[in-house]
Amino acid sequence: SQKIEQNSEALNIQEGKTATLTCNYTNYSPAYLQWYRQDPGRGPVFLLLIRENEKEKRKERLKVTFDTTLKQSLFHITASQPADSATYLCALLIYNQGGKLIFGQGTELSVKP
Amino acid sequence: GAGVSQSPRYKVTKRGQDVALRCDPISGHVSLYWYRQALGQGPEFLTYFNYEAQQDKSGLPNDRFSAERPEGSISTLTIQRTEQRDSAMYRCASSLKASGPTGELFFGEGSRLTVL
Repeated sequence: SQKIEQNSEALNIQEGKTATLTCNYTNYSPAYLQWYRQDPGRGPVFLLLIRENEKEKRKERLKVTFDTTLKQSLFHITASQPADSATYLCALLIYNQGGKLIFGQGTELSVKP
Repeated sequence: GAGVSQSPRYKVTKRGQDVALRCDPISGHVSLYWYRQALGQGPEFLTYFNYEAQQDKSGLPNDRFSAERPEGSISTLTIQRTEQRDSAMYRCASSLKASGPTGELFFGEGSRLTVL
């Protein structure tokens, strides 16, 4: 079956360290992959998009990699801050399923001062 | 509007009643998505529209669920004969393009449905 998996355990790190979150998928051929941030009680907010022919994308302290051979994306937050604490969701757009965007279950990140 | 607007924000209903959840997307956005989100889980795809055409409804759990977007703007998700298992946060999102290169979704604040 088709599946998207993110770190199920919450990630706790110290302020200033780099947070690395993982998104693995099986049986999909995504056109591109997106990362969203979700704060408690709020809707997800778009952060970054990376296409299938791109290896890496950066935006300020954020970096995303996309390995279509491993079927994996890594999401990095460098110099993390307590304000980065949130749930992070990866989402895949599948070519052969039109514009359907499928989300993973999310990983909760907690950055301690 | 400035953002995606959903109403009602909270809905409590009795089992067996019908409910209608409304989504007003960002003006000019072509695509509109409905998701359902359980606590601690990611959004679960229900259905989506490009303009007024429903492109994919494969995520609708059963035939009690339906959605429409008759004029390509506001959308309504209707749940008939509600059951307790339908209790969840229902989220709407819109996108400027139809499956375009950006594909960024803008989410509303959701409608929390509780079925007693």
